Amino acid sequence: AQSVAQPEDQVNVAEGNPLTVKCTYSVSGNPYLFWYVQYPNRGLQFLLKYITGDNLVKGSYGFEAEFNKSQTSFHLKKPSALVSDSALYFCAVRAPGSARQLTFGSGTQLTVLP
Amino acid sequence: GAVVSQHPSRVICKSGTSVKIECRSLDFQATTMFWYRQFPKQSLMLMATSNEGSKATYEQGVEKDKFLINHASLTLSTLTVTSAHPEDSSFYICSAPRTSGGTYEQYFGPGTRLTVT
Repeated sequence: AQSVAQPEDQVNVAEGNPLTVKCTYSVSGNPYLFWYVQYPNRGLQFLLKYITGDNLVKGSYGFEAEFNKSQTSFHLKKPSALVSDSALYFCAVRAPGSARQLTFGSGTQLTVLP
Repeated sequence: GAVVSQHPSRVICKSGTSVKIECRSLDFQATTMFWYRQFPKQSLMLMATSNEGSKATYEQGVEKDKFLINHASLTLSTLTVTSAHPEDSSFYICSAPRTSGGTYEQYFGPGTRLTVT
């Protein structure tokens, strides 16, 4: 079975500072990994994904994530946080060849302080 | 990019009544759609997989007689909460996967906030 762990329920960072939202996964085979962002009372918005290729993936709004196979991690990063980045972030995984639904992490609430 | 819509965005109903939520893929066909439920400040929990032309597949612990799913066409899936109770109050989100050019992506609707009084 596939699973995703987001060890931090809450991350606070000052505006302008770099941010990291952590994600580790467990899956058989090579994973498909995703990051989504959710604003209050809204659906999920896609940020980026890793399927294959370069371990560093660049996505929307200046976010990027690094796939680390040895550590089974896919941490989300941004060099300089904005107050508008404050939202709930979900990491998700899908094993290739598995059923097509995603397995989500528990979510991390990011708060960027002005 | 691909768009998935949900209707209504917000609904309030009385206990014992039924509520239907629609999920539409607006610019692509989806033989499969997923229905999730999300409690405040929690993750998305997959409820069921909706399959066009066949019965939905429900996750363990989800009552199929209470949460009726119908995938009427390649662009529409509906979730009907029957005999709603206050504990059914939640945020319901649908999604539709799309594979294009060998890449897989899942597109989410904006969600429906259900409040049962």
